[in-house]
Amino acid sequence: AQSVSQHNHHVILSEAASLELGCNYSYGGTVNLFWYVQYPGQHLQLLLKYFSGDPLVKGIKGFEAEFIKSKFSFNLRKPSVQWSDTAEYFCAVTGSSNTGKLIFGQGTTLQVKP
Amino acid sequence: GAGVSQSPSNKVTEKGKDVELRCDPISGHTALYWYRQRLGQGLEFLIYFQGNSAPDKSGLPSDRFSAERTGESVSTLTIQRTQQEDSAVYLCAITLTGPRTYYGYTFGSGTRLTVV
Repeated sequence: AQSVSQHNHHVILSEAASLELGCNYSYGGTVNLFWYVQYPGQHLQLLLKYFSGDPLVKGIKGFEAEFIKSKFSFNLRKPSVQWSDTAEYFCAVTGSSNTGKLIFGQGTTLQVKP
Repeated sequence: GAGVSQSPSNKVTEKGKDVELRCDPISGHTALYWYRQRLGQGLEFLIYFQGNSAPDKSGLPSDRFSAERTGESVSTLTIQRTQQEDSAVYLCAITLTGPRTYYGYTFGSGTRLTVV
């Protein structure tokens, strides 16, 4: 069965610090990978996605993620975080052969101190 | 988000009562999903509808949970004889193209269910 594991449950950073949130998945076939963000009091929003091609994917607000197939990983990065990046971040995966059902990780709460 | 409306936004119910949660998606969506998010946990898949196909109910945690979709529009998630462990945010999501396109979901704002 597919599963997604996010290593960090709660991350606290100061503004301008670099960010890397870990995500590992378990699935034997071709995957599609996503990062979603949920800002306080708001809906879940798509941050970035990987389907195929360049394994380094750039998303909104300066975020990027790198798909490393050999490590089954899709880590999220940002060189310099801002206070407004305080949110909960979810990694998700779906296999290309299934119904489009997304399997989510447990989420990582990022708190950026001004 | 725009395109998915959920009601009520908050629901407090007594243990043992039945509740009905509603998802009203924008027309033209091709797939509809229900997820549950318990406090401090990730999103847990519950059920999926697409077209006239039989729904994928593999995520429903017990037979107290059921869901329907009217045509290709409104969906309701019903929880019978609610228990305290049912307390969670229930999220509805849609895809606006075929599921194999994988352009991501559009989520509703959720219903926060509290069972007391």
